[in-house]
Amino acid sequence: KAGVTQTPRYLIKTRGQQVTLSCSPISGHRSVSWYQQTPGQGLQFLFEYFSETQRNKGNFPGRFSGRQFSNSRSEMNVSTLELGDSALYLCASSILFAGEAFFGQGTRLTVV
Amino acid sequence: KQEVTQIPAALSVPEGENLVLNCSFTDSAIYNLQWFRQDPGKGLTSLLLIQSSQREQTSGRLNASLDKSSGRSTLYIAASQPGDSATYLCAVRYAGGTSYGKLTFGQGTILTVHP
Repeated sequence: KAGVTQTPRYLIKTRGQQVTLSCSPISGHRSVSWYQQTPGQGLQFLFEYFSETQRNKGNFPGRFSGRQFSNSRSEMNVSTLELGDSALYLCASSILFAGEAFFGQGTRLTVV
Repeated sequence: KQEVTQIPAALSVPEGENLVLNCSFTDSAIYNLQWFRQDPGKGLTSLLLIQSSQREQTSGRLNASLDKSSGRSTLYIAASQPGDSATYLCAVRYAGGTSYGKLTFGQGTILTVHP
């Protein structure tokens, strides 16, 4: 069965621009969560969605937002990009909010 | 503060050795603990999930244990191979409203298995 799919795999953006990343969870999974991975901070939780509702949000500025659609696909948006937003953004899905998490390959965002 | 710590940060062993990776967490109120591996530039691959009511889980050459009272988990890799070289990450789902749906990760152990 298909795994978690993230698109695009790579992005290069300029400071001040905005970006939208997409995540398609494993079929039947209703929980989608997002993480930012950087060499200095490691993996940090951004937010979690279940049945189209944001259930939890990490300590990130309001420039980071997300949503989940009725088919469980999720998008995250970062507005007014900063150099420090350069990171690997990972999406994970699970059947329930505390179930086994399965991760996608990530989107590598570079802000120049 | 709910944190996860992994020791050692890096480990280099010859092929064939049995090895243990350690993970500690600060609060015993957890839903579960999950071990992942990550190859350079790639996503995370789930290795083992241990529910809070379980003591250990096994998959092939991997065995993970959980001791909630001491806040520790270990990942045991038997007969290591060069293909096991990767970063191993421990992640905890703490219980409690502010932790809903969130995995808290350790910094990882970089494992190198040389032929």
